[in-house]
Amino acid sequence: SAVISQKPSRDICQRGTSLTIQCQVDSQVTMMFWYRQQPGQSLTLIATANQGSEATYESGFVIDKFPISRPNLTFSTLTVSNMSPEDSSIYLCSVMTPRDGYTFGSGTRLTVV
Amino acid sequence: EDKVVQSPLSLVVHEGDTVTLNCSYEVTNFRSLLWYKQEKKAPTFLFMLTSSGIEKKSGRLSSILDKKELFSILNITATQTGDSAVYLCAPFNAGGTSYGKLTFGQGTILTVHP
Repeated sequence: SAVISQKPSRDICQRGTSLTIQCQVDSQVTMMFWYRQQPGQSLTLIATANQGSEATYESGFVIDKFPISRPNLTFSTLTVSNMSPEDSSIYLCSVMTPRDGYTFGSGTRLTVV
Repeated sequence: EDKVVQSPLSLVVHEGDTVTLNCSYEVTNFRSLLWYKQEKKAPTFLFMLTSSGIEKKSGRLSSILDKKELFSILNITATQTGDSAVYLCAPFNAGGTSYGKLTFGQGTILTVHP
């Protein structure tokens, strides 16, 4: 199955700042997804990031707050902008391949103080 | 709107017990249902179920899908403390702009005591 390297693993950030999370995949994949898991909650899809097109955001998530880049078929970034304590969550990238289904990155635990 | 309900929300058992976790769903353009185990941050893949009535097994874990009644179950036999985790189910949406989207249930927190 695809192997995803996600970093940083964790970070503590000041409110009002931004954090960029990176995901590197060991193979070319068309579809990448970014999820958020707030404390005590399940995973919620933020957006779908396909190479060569604008990311598609789910209801409740906007590009100004969560800009996404997808410069090639093996890499993507998610930025959490102008952070507030409510953004404290685990952020996960994932990829879908026809053979292996869904694989998740190791996750980024973000704490905003 | 896609909907996924897992039950029970939490479960406490002793080692050796057998548990059954439930997942019901309402998803447009349903393709398959996935089960994951989440211990720390990243969910780890357990099963992908596409066909009704065909049980998938991996060691002490097994799962089956009922596409008519729109539910799936995950069984764990002879539980061990290492099975303690959150178990998540997620139907896979194969339609239009939602293609590839996983809608996660709220999860079942399983605690296995020695």
